[in-house]
Amino acid sequence: KQEVTQIPAALSVPEGENLVLNCSFTDSAIYNLQWFRQDPGKGLTSLLLIQSSQREQTSGRLNASLDKSSGRSTLYIAASQPGDSATYLCVVGSSNTGKLIFGQGTTLQVKP
Amino acid sequence: DGGITQSPKYLFRKEGQNVTLSCEQNLNHDAMYWYRQDPGQGLRLIYYSQIVNDFQKGDIAEGYSVSREKKESFPLTVTSAQKNPTAFYLCASSIMNTGELFFGEGSRLTVL
Repeated sequence: KQEVTQIPAALSVPEGENLVLNCSFTDSAIYNLQWFRQDPGKGLTSLLLIQSSQREQTSGRLNASLDKSSGRSTLYIAASQPGDSATYLCVVGSSNTGKLIFGQGTTLQVKP
Repeated sequence: DGGITQSPKYLFRKEGQNVTLSCEQNLNHDAMYWYRQDPGQGLRLIYYSQIVNDFQKGDIAEGYSVSREKKESFPLTVTSAQKNPTAFYLCASSIMNTGELFFGEGSRLTVL
């Protein structure tokens, strides 16, 4: 059974710091992995999508990597800003079941 | 602009009443989903549909019903049989070829 874990559950950093959020999954048979951000009381906003054949994707200050063999993805945020404060979730698409498996999220606070 | 529209954003219901949450998308996506989000918990799948006039139960379908009469629309009815309906409900759709997932802004249901 595919399980997705995000550690840490919460993170607080000063503005300007570069940071890494982690997403681990137990089964390497995935067809994609997607990172989202969620602001309080809002829906999920897609940040980056990595297909199983890709190693990384970049958008602005964000870079997501994927290592299927080790069951890990990282979301790198460069030069963090207070506006980056949100909950970040990763979602894995399982090749075996076709299901989407969500992590519990990492809540990020960037202090001015 | 293309996207997913959920309505209403906030809804209050008395115990014993059925309520229907609307989800409309103009992205021409085939697949649509309903998730429930509770504080401190991850997203849980209620129902999903991959094609018009067909839908499947997710992990927590009891007390809920859906229909998919049109490609653009996937309404969710929360029935009086749902024991604990107070939650944040999220509708999503996805592109079949990449599996990229998009979410609406959510509907918050409170049972009084």
